[in-house]
Amino acid sequence: NAGVTQTPKFRVLKTGQSMTLLCAQDMNHEYMYWYRQDPGMGLRLIHYSVGEGTTAKGEVPDGYNVSRLKKQNFLLGLESAAPSQTSVYFCASSYWTGSGTDAETQYFGPGTRLLVL
Amino acid sequence: AQTVTQSQPEMSVQEAETVTLSCTYDTSENNYYLFWYKQPPSRQMILVIRQEAYKQQNATENRFSVNFQKAAKSFSLKISDSQLGDTAMYFCALTSSAGSYQLTFGKGTKLSVIP
Repeated sequence: NAGVTQTPKFRVLKTGQSMTLLCAQDMNHEYMYWYRQDPGMGLRLIHYSVGEGTTAKGEVPDGYNVSRLKKQNFLLGLESAAPSQTSVYFCASSYWTGSGTDAETQYFGPGTRLLVL
Repeated sequence: AQTVTQSQPEMSVQEAETVTLSCTYDTSENNYYLFWYKQPPSRQMILVIRQEAYKQQNATENRFSVNFQKAAKSFSLKISDSQLGDTAMYFCALTSSAGSYQLTFGKGTKLSVIP
């Protein structure tokens, strides 16, 4: 049981390049999230998904797109990278049944460090 | 909109002593959940403790406990018998069903445990 995994761990991009970050979870969680973390700040939500085939915008969605074609995977895309997107990106997932004692807890991946030059 | 405020950017504590990290929040929801996450230098986000707002009893997990004051919208974390491995950033976070359980984080408190 690997939990939440993220690929790659580190990447350097040039301005204008594109890339996709992959998040995978093996806990059969319905909900998945993408956050970014910048120095001196907590995590901020980029996009999230409440189930396979659904996505929604979070607090800072501009410049990013996401897809959830399979329940276990949540992809974050940067179509044209900008230096302002230099950050550490975290994926998280949670299992929600509408009841229960642990349903709303999010479990995080190890993070992807992205540097845009 | 939900907000979470951590007013202590940095704190330090002697090994084996007790330290309390502060967190205040604001939400219009009645049903919500509060969390403390730990982020060591490895950057991994690790759940420390969670509290359901409808429960009056304060949550505890071994050396970690919270003081949940719902009326004051306060959620502090107490670490007893501090250990060197507790050195990390600590984030307070809030979630509710109104926002599809997305987490709203504070800016964090950097805790250093001194030998």
